[in-house]
Amino acid sequence: GQNIDQPTEMTATEGAIVQINCTYQTSGFNGLFWYQQHAGEAPTFLSYNVLDGLEEKGRFSSFLSRSKGYSYLLLKELQMKDSASYLCAVMDSNYQLIWGAGTKLIIKP
Amino acid sequence: ETGVTQTPRHLVMGMTNKKSLKCEQHLGHNAMYWYKQSAKKPLELMFVYNFKEQTENNSVPSRFSPECPNSSHLFLHLHTLQPEDSALYLCASSQEGSGQGYSPLHFGNGTRLTVT
Repeated sequence: GQNIDQPTEMTATEGAIVQINCTYQTSGFNGLFWYQQHAGEAPTFLSYNVLDGLEEKGRFSSFLSRSKGYSYLLLKELQMKDSASYLCAVMDSNYQLIWGAGTKLIIKP
Repeated sequence: ETGVTQTPRHLVMGMTNKKSLKCEQHLGHNAMYWYKQSAKKPLELMFVYNFKEQTENNSVPSRFSPECPNSSHLFLHLHTLQPEDSALYLCASSQEGSGQGYSPLHFGNGTRLTVT
């Protein structure tokens, strides 16, 4: 079966760095997405990786290793507004999105 | 972002009621989706409409009935629901075939449904 694994919950301190991991086992691979979802709000697109390596966008970076079936989202200089759930999703060979259950990130002052 | 608007935001209904969820996208996209989001579970794709044609129905019970009258509007008609159907129902849109290689989903804020 197809599976996406990510930690259920993480806690970090304001101003620090946090890495949210995502491992996947899917039928084929056509890219990996990260979305951010604040409580009670819509998920919003953060990043897309289809080739190995690191993609940087301001304070957020996303890394992919296709051979290891692994990605991480790196958040730097954490702010209180970064408290949210972070969803990992992989597009399989049929261009279907397979979703993880999300990682709830709690930022403490 | 108000590109995808869902109404109502909250809905409480009894198991014998009939209600409808509405979604409207103002992004000019050609594909629209219904997802179910339950606590601590992955998003579940329910229905996909591409160019107003339903292209996917992921074994969703018939008590959920989608309708897509045009590429900007999507409805989810609900009848004789069960308590386990209580969840956040998210609508999303995307631009398929854009040649970009990928098309991120744009979500609405969802309808929080409670079935009593």
